[in-house]
Amino acid sequence: GAGVSQSPSNKVTEKGKDVELRCDPISGHTALYWYRQSLGQGLEFLIYFQGNSAPDKSGLPSDRFSAERTGGSVSTLTIQRTQQEDSAVYLCASSFTDRVHGYTFGSGTRLTVV
Amino acid sequence: GQQVMQIPQYQHVQEGEDFTTYCNSSTTLSNIQWYKQRPGGHPVFLIQLVKSGEVKKQKRLTFQFGEAKKNSSLHITATQTTDVGTYFCAGHDMRFGAGTRLTVKP
Repeated sequence: GAGVSQSPSNKVTEKGKDVELRCDPISGHTALYWYRQSLGQGLEFLIYFQGNSAPDKSGLPSDRFSAERTGGSVSTLTIQRTQQEDSAVYLCASSFTDRVHGYTFGSGTRLTVV
Repeated sequence: GQQVMQIPQYQHVQEGEDFTTYCNSSTTLSNIQWYKQRPGGHPVFLIQLVKSGEVKKQKRLTFQFGEAKKNSSLHITATQTTDVGTYFCAGHDMRFGAGTRLTVKP
């Protein structure tokens, strides 16, 4: 596609439910990041995928968070047993390996846990 | 990963005034990237700096990378209302600073 696509754009879920957020990167982009952004705050790094290398999971805030990237393309971020503090915008960004042209961000998924 | 600190956190200027935001790292960076996020939007890539002492310009925006590759700055000349947003820097492992939120009074 022309850009990074994230779905859903909005998600309201009840506390304790599991959610899956999806990211479709730009075709050919081998690098992919997930970030979390609370209202008015900065970008909190969650996880990084680069090609077939083992992902950098050092930013995941708890074991309720997990992510995978299938076939080096689509990525899903899963949050189990959601809590109210998980409410935020979850952003995905992708790039070619050389990153010369920077990362392209998706429009994000706004997650609200009620 | 490396930590990047940004100052100031907020900046409010009158239209036509200049604006500068600074990014400082505790470690040497192989490169630094700058992004702009408009209110309600997502970050958009502005530029990447790689070389020590590098200076790049984009119209009214001037980006600098320090000689030691530990700091960087973004300077906007004669701000316009279209410059409103939050400006973020990120080091080579894409850990972002907290950003500088710029508001411009017409």
